[in-house]
Amino acid sequence: DVVLTQTPSTLSATIGQSVSISCRSSQSLLDSAGNTYLYWYLQRPGQSPQLLIYLVSNLGSGVPNRFSGSGSGTDFTLKISGVEAEDLGVYYCMQATHAPWTFGGGTKLELK
Amino acid sequence: EVQLQQSGPEVGRPGSSVKISCKASGYTFTDYVMNWVKQSPGQGLEWIGWIDPEYGSTDYAEKFKKKATLTADTSSNTAYIQLSSLTSEDTATYFCASGNWVDYWGQGVMVTVSS
Repeated sequence: DVVLTQTPSTLSATIGQSVSISCRSSQSLLDSAGNTYLYWYLQRPGQSPQLLIYLVSNLGSGVPNRFSGSGSGTDFTLKISGVEAEDLGVYYCMQATHAPWTFGGGTKLELK
Repeated sequence: EVQLQQSGPEVGRPGSSVKISCKASGYTFTDYVMNWVKQSPGQGLEWIGWIDPEYGSTDYAEKFKKKATLTADTSSNTAYIQLSSLTSEDTATYFCASGNWVDYWGQGVMVTVSS
């Protein structure tokens, strides 16, 4: 199975600060058709996960443009340019290139 | 508006089975596979598997092949997951999730295994 390693596991930030989360894969997520099925989700406390980014860098519907995704192959990054209070929660990366789909261990974003 | 409405919380005795539903509305049910995801208390997310409602085909993560059975009823736009031979390890919240980019999620169902 593909292992996704997220770092850091916890991130403390002030409102307005820019932060980044890394997601590293144990194998390339590029498929034979040239697609990379790497997603980012935010799970706020007591809620379902919410899609932020799909296919590495595409913003989900209604997602603020302070969120951005980048990367390729085995190395991916989610950036938040100016944290807002509503961004607090746990961030997960997920890959759907290889079966079984797998999630990273999560990164908890909290207020400093 | 797309909605995935899941059934209510379940309590199951060890060794028994439970069946959870996920009713889809606001999109064509057969357009996307339905995924199921497990979240144990205080833990991260685990993908269980998916079902293609149009063809009934399924794919499971290896660890869930003997634990979970995924079905779908296109007449009612409802997907189901049955969890069998319950143990304390099955106590968790179970989400259904669908959409072109797995962007639609149900509210989750808490399953508690207790005697």
